[in-house]
This record gives sequence, C-alpha cells and structure tokens, in this order.
Amino acid sequence: GAVVSQHPSRVICKSGTSVKIECRSLDFQATTMFWYRQFPKQSLMLMATSNEGSKATYEQGVEKDKFLINHASLTLSTLTVTSAHPEDSSFYICSARLAGGASQYFGPGTRLTVL
Amino acid sequence: GDSVTQMEGPVTLSEEAFLTINCTYTATGYPSLFWYVQYPGEGLQLLLKATKADDKGSNKGFEATYRKETTSFHLEKGSVQVSDSAVYFCALSVENTGNQFYFGTGTSLTVIP
Repeated sequence: GAVVSQHPSRVICKSGTSVKIECRSLDFQATTMFWYRQFPKQSLMLMATSNEGSKATYEQGVEKDKFLINHASLTLSTLTVTSAHPEDSSFYICSARLAGGASQYFGPGTRLTVL
Repeated sequence: GDSVTQMEGPVTLSEEAFLTINCTYTATGYPSLFWYVQYPGEGLQLLLKATKADDKGSNKGFEATYRKETTSFHLEKGSVQVSDSAVYFCALSVENTGNQFYFGTGTSLTVIP
C-alpha cells in the first residue's frame, strides 16, 4: 500500500515552454502533498507544501509564480514549471502524507531537462 | 532549528562487509526518524523508521536505533550486498512543524563484488 506515482517520468522541453508534472496517491487519500527538487548528488530541497483545497505554502526562495502547484483532489497534485529555463533542469520528486500520519511516501520522480 | 547531519560519502565496501552510516539530529520537538534509500534514477523509498526513543527500525537486514541521549540514528547492516549500492538519506519529521521532513545530504554507498 501507500503508492505514489508521478507522470511523466522524464520530460525534455524547449526553453520558454511550460511543463506540468502530476503526482497521484494511488491507494490512499493524501491531505498533504510535498514537492521537492533534487540537484545531482545533492539532497532533496523542499519547494512547497500543498494541502487539498487550499493554496500551497512555498519555501523561502521558491518562486510561486514560476512553480504553480494545484492540489485539486485528495489523490492528485500538479506542479507546473512555467516558462522553463535550462536552470530549472532537475529531478522533481513529490511525496504524499496520510491524514494524521508522520511518514511521507515518495513518488519515483520526474527528470526535467530544459534545452 | 531542526536539522540532520549525515556522514559524508562516498562509501565503498566489499561485499559482505559491515556497514555503518552515521546520522545525528537536532530537533526542537520530539522527532520521528527515518532512513530512505534512493537507487540510481529512482525516487526515494522508505527503508525504516522509528518514532520514539529506543525504538529500533529494521528492514532488509538494515537496522537503526533511535538514541535520544546521543541524538543519533545510525544505519547498520551486518553484511552488505552489491544490490545495496544506492544513496541513503537520513531524515526527521517533527509534528509541531507540520511533520515537515528535514533530510540529510545523503551518503552514496557502492558495494563491490
């Protein structure tokens, strides 16, 4: 149980375009989902926390107008990278938490490459 | 603030060697502690966890004991295999910060035959 999926697993796009990444909890309802970014050989950096039905809370230094997060249902959160640039190339990982739980369950990640 | 300090890598071991990856933490509240593993090109998988002092988390031959007196959660395995090659992340979560996770920097482990 507690499976989280992400789609797509890999995406390559041109500079200036927007990319949407989906994060789904497959067998549980997640009131809270998290979006992380991971640079090569580095740890995960929390970008934002999203609660179903409310606006996401962004970490300091993360541009909310560039990284749009929508948590429309208890099983789906989306991250849209708007007007992507090469420096946005990274590994984006989402996680989901059960209501009242401490553990987070991570998706497999999305490798974004911006040309 | 809350943070995790993890042993720097990379670590290279021969198959069947003993593994220890050190992890210490600082927390304002009473944290839950986790070890996650990341295989090449994949996301993070929960390896084990402990939610209170003296708890021992274990999975796939890996163990870690929550030591409040030393604020540590060291990962150990008695006999590593080539398939254990991955990056290991120590993490903590504290309820009074909304269960936000704080990750260590990760330790890369390579096991050679």
